[in-house]
Amino acid sequence: EDQVTQSPEALRLQEGESSSLNCSYTVSGLRGLFWYRQDPGKGPEFLFTLYSAGEEKEKERLKATLTKKESFLHITAPKPEDSATYLCAALSTSGTYKYIFGTGTRLKVLA
Amino acid sequence: DGGITQSPKYLFRKEGQNVTLSCEQNLNHDAMYWYRQDPGQGLRLIYYSQIVNDFQKGDIAEGYSVSREKKESFPLTVTSAQKNPTAFYLCASRGGTGSRDTQYFGPGTRLTVL
Repeated sequence: EDQVTQSPEALRLQEGESSSLNCSYTVSGLRGLFWYRQDPGKGPEFLFTLYSAGEEKEKERLKATLTKKESFLHITAPKPEDSATYLCAALSTSGTYKYIFGTGTRLKVLA
Repeated sequence: DGGITQSPKYLFRKEGQNVTLSCEQNLNHDAMYWYRQDPGQGLRLIYYSQIVNDFQKGDIAEGYSVSREKKESFPLTVTSAQKNPTAFYLCASRGGTGSRDTQYFGPGTRLTVL
């Protein structure tokens, strides 16, 4: 069964304290791995798409990486405005175009 | 600006009522999706449509219905058969050159049963 697991469920960081969020996936052939940021009461905002193991993408303080079993979202020197829930989703090569979402990591960055 | 709009932002339903949530996109995307989000759970797929006049049930379709008569629009009806409809509903679309696999989301509609 296709599955996506995110850890930790919640993370509290001091401003400037770098860390990583994990997204482990089990899908029958990975077509793409997606990261989103979601603020309370709002829709998810697209961050990154990763397609193959070894691929990396960066945006400001965020860098996403992909291996054959998991993806990491690295946050370098976070600021309070980075506080949000981060979601990852996997899309398999099955052709159905159904995305499998993790339950998210709630990040709180303290000033 | 291109994007996805959902309306209303907040919706209140009485027991036994059907309500319809609107989703419109001007991204020229072929595929559209409806998800339900509950606290502590991942997004769960209700219905999706790959092209106009065609749609498929997702994992939790019972008590919901959709239509796809226009490329831009994918309304979701929450029927009285849905026993626990209080949730945050998200519409998404997928497509476009260069980013055909990426989903983009609307702002959401929060439905509350009174």
